[in-house]
Amino acid sequence: EAGVAQSPRYKIIEKRQSVAFWCNPISGHATLYWYQQILGQGPKLLIQFQNNGVVDDSQLPKDRFSAERLKGVDSTLKIQPAKLEDSAVYLCASSLDQVVRFFGPGTRLTVL
Amino acid sequence: SQELEQSPQSLIVQEGKNLTINCTSSKTLYGLYWYKQKYGEGLIFLMMLQKGGEEKSHEKITAKLDEKKQQSSLHITASQPSHAGIYLCGADLGSARQLTFGSGTQLTVLP
Repeated sequence: EAGVAQSPRYKIIEKRQSVAFWCNPISGHATLYWYQQILGQGPKLLIQFQNNGVVDDSQLPKDRFSAERLKGVDSTLKIQPAKLEDSAVYLCASSLDQVVRFFGPGTRLTVL
Repeated sequence: SQELEQSPQSLIVQEGKNLTINCTSSKTLYGLYWYKQKYGEGLIFLMMLQKGGEEKSHEKITAKLDEKKQQSSLHITASQPSHAGIYLCGADLGSARQLTFGSGTQLTVLP
């Protein structure tokens, strides 16, 4: 079984630029999550999708972050414009049964 | 203050030694999840505990959820270098089933 795929693995941008991350969940997993993990901290949920609908985006900074899940499969997370404090690892996860078992390798974002 | 406290923040042990990592909440834990993360990689799910007093094992790793469901411990017996990494606890604290994570315990196992 293929795991959760994410790209790119690394991204370096300057502040005020925009960036997008892509996630392909495990086939058949209806629930998809985006987490932000700042160095030295645990992951923080940004947004949760059930199929292509948003279940929870209460911690998503909507003035600069946006996310969509196309046709209930792949998802993209965008930051525009980026700030220095957005430097973090962005993790995508998917699940079949509301237990978050499968995480992707993450995208490490550095904002200069 | 954090809703979920992990201790210790870091741990260095000699290969073969036993160790324990704790995860404490001020709220009832409706579900407690343990993960392992290697630097630069995603989280690997280890186990899930839901009932007070529950204990689960996977190879040399055992996790328990206390009767009051406010603390969990992860115990590694006869540690090996392959056990090195960051151990994270995640908890369902009852808020829309969203997971809250602790800040992790960095484990180093010296050969």
